[in-house]
Amino acid sequence: QKEVEQDPGPLSVPEGAIVSLNCTYSNSAFQYFMWYRQYSRKGPELLMYTYSSGNKEDGRFTAQVDKSSKYISLFIRDSQPSDSATYLCAMSGYSNYQLIWGAGTKLIIKP
Amino acid sequence: GAVVSQHPSRVICKSGTSVKIECRSLDFQATTMFWYRQFPKQSLMLMATSNEGSKATYEQGVEKDKFLINHASLTLSTLTVTSAHPEDSSFYICSASQGEREAFFGQGTRLTVV
Repeated sequence: QKEVEQDPGPLSVPEGAIVSLNCTYSNSAFQYFMWYRQYSRKGPELLMYTYSSGNKEDGRFTAQVDKSSKYISLFIRDSQPSDSATYLCAMSGYSNYQLIWGAGTKLIIKP
Repeated sequence: GAVVSQHPSRVICKSGTSVKIECRSLDFQATTMFWYRQFPKQSLMLMATSNEGSKATYEQGVEKDKFLINHASLTLSTLTVTSAHPEDSSFYICSASQGEREAFFGQGTRLTVV
């Protein structure tokens, strides 16, 4: 079993829809949770970064962490075709900076 | 966010030659840099972690004599693929961190060995 599970998709939704992307994990030591967006043939771009449980909002993006369920989510409101990309979750422990990655979910926003 | 510049973005080399990829943090000092490899439609695979002024720590299965990493300064790390072979063709990505949790990524380098 992988430490971080993420559905690779593709996930296809119409423009304007709310998108929900998720990851589950097995290591209870993870404390830091990130979401990255990667366009084709580009390096990942940090979108959201949260520590421990709770919600964090930044514009159209909301990140949620539920440590009791070992489940994290990224919500995208008012989705746009430019949001079409692969979204990767990543996480690390308190004393270890090494990121453990999900497989990435390919998101397609249809105009 | 912080800027990490990776160069070149694309390189084609002949089998048996060596290729150097540079990773620079442009507006911050990176105490730690990471090198990743990414195969098509797969997630990032960590190759090695380097701290400025010390030897890189390689992940299991990564040949340190083949993938030479140098982190000579707080703003520059290099990855040299030595005696490249077609199976080394991949997308290589660096990331840099100041020691906080955020890691900022370079644009990636597409290496093709012919």
